[in-house]
Amino acid sequence: DQQVKQNSPSLSVQEGRISILNCDYTNSMFDYFLWYKKYPAEGPTFLISISSIKDKNEDGRFTVFLNKSAKHLSLHIVPSQPGDSAVYFCAASDPFGNEKLTFGTGTRLTIIP
Amino acid sequence: KAGVTQTPRYLIKTRGQQVTLSCSPISGHRSVSWYQQTPGQGLQFLFEYFSETQRNKGNFPGRFSGRQFSNSRSEMNVSTLELGDSALYLCASSRGAKTGDKLLPNEKLFFGSGTQLSVL
Repeated sequence: DQQVKQNSPSLSVQEGRISILNCDYTNSMFDYFLWYKKYPAEGPTFLISISSIKDKNEDGRFTVFLNKSAKHLSLHIVPSQPGDSAVYFCAASDPFGNEKLTFGTGTRLTIIP
Repeated sequence: KAGVTQTPRYLIKTRGQQVTLSCSPISGHRSVSWYQQTPGQGLQFLFEYFSETQRNKGNFPGRFSGRQFSNSRSEMNVSTLELGDSALYLCASSRGAKTGDKLLPNEKLFFGSGTQLSVL
């Protein structure tokens, strides 16, 4: 049972345009959401997070939006740069899971120069 | 500050063998988590250790086990390897909080580069 879903395995975006990566979840107990970025042969690195009490969090070119009623979050990257080409994982946690994160299956983002 | 170190980087085993993977967390981090990454499945949580105690366990068979030492270093072991165990095994460390305490919501996990295990 995939509690965190990223339905787009891949996405291609022109350099300079906006990249939008989507994530859906089913567990209403999730109260914190994170995005990780992964390059080949490296471990995932933390990108940005959002608490369930907020609907938006911004950090430079990266913004995460949370729609709790729809159980949906999205990551916006503006403007997209070639170095953003990577696999992006959405992850979620609940108040009782300690350090456990539930990850989505990832979206491979390719920025076209 | 040194990052999370996983050894070995690559491992080739045959079915039925067992394997031990090692993880050294960031200095001062007391929580170590293990994840399995396979194509199409994302990262699947294996288990988490804090102060030498397993606090959380994912839905993996008993062939998958782990432990944590007093210096926070962790090992995971897979016995009776199967072809389906071929995957990238990732270790992540975090400062962690005592069970029942509440730090900032979800301390960010810091991942190692992983051990790529191939079972033939």
